[in-house]
Amino acid sequence: DAGVIQSPRHEVTEMGQEVTLRCKPISGHNSLFWYRQTMMRGLELLIYFNNNVPIDDSGMPEDRFSAKMPNASFSTLKIQPSEPRDSAVYFCASSFGGTWAEQFFGPGTRLTVL
Amino acid sequence: QQPVQSPQAVILREGEDAVINCSSSKALYSVHWYRQKHGEAPVFLMILLKGGEQKGHEKISASFNEKKQQSSLYLTASQLSYSGTYFCGTEKSLGSTLTFGKGTMLLVSP
Repeated sequence: DAGVIQSPRHEVTEMGQEVTLRCKPISGHNSLFWYRQTMMRGLELLIYFNNNVPIDDSGMPEDRFSAKMPNASFSTLKIQPSEPRDSAVYFCASSFGGTWAEQFFGPGTRLTVL
Repeated sequence: QQPVQSPQAVILREGEDAVINCSSSKALYSVHWYRQKHGEAPVFLMILLKGGEQKGHEKISASFNEKKQQSSLYLTASQLSYSGTYFCGTEKSLGSTLTFGKGTMLLVSP
């Protein structure tokens, strides 16, 4: 069975450019999470969707970040405009149930903003 | 509030035991443990729920002291495959999202 799929795996862009990260959760899972991981701050939750509806977006850093989940099998995280401090590994995770359930993480997207 | 993990790093020889601690300043509903190998995604190890229920599927045990808001992960007879960074994630109440600690790096050498 395919796990959580993320694309691209690596992204290098210049400051000011728009970046779109994509995630396909495990089929049948109804919860989706976007995390950002850096050495300084560790693993931080950005946004949590349940049944395609954003439930908690308190971790989204600022208006430059936006996330959508148009259907149960696809989500995007967009950064516009990107800044060097956005450089990090972005993980998407999904679960069946809610925040209390085991989360399955995707391989991550390593973003570098020059 | 981010939970505090200790120690920050530990080096073991194969076959030795280790304990990783996770503590919170707030009351907790559950504690989740994940392991992340270098360059890979975090992988679920265990959930400990308020009331003592424990869900996991690895040969690793853990405890959850609700009164002290602390959890400990016990790695016995460590194997090379145990190397990685261990994260605890805490849930303040049912339905709240996880807040992860900064991790404990474990290195098991032959």
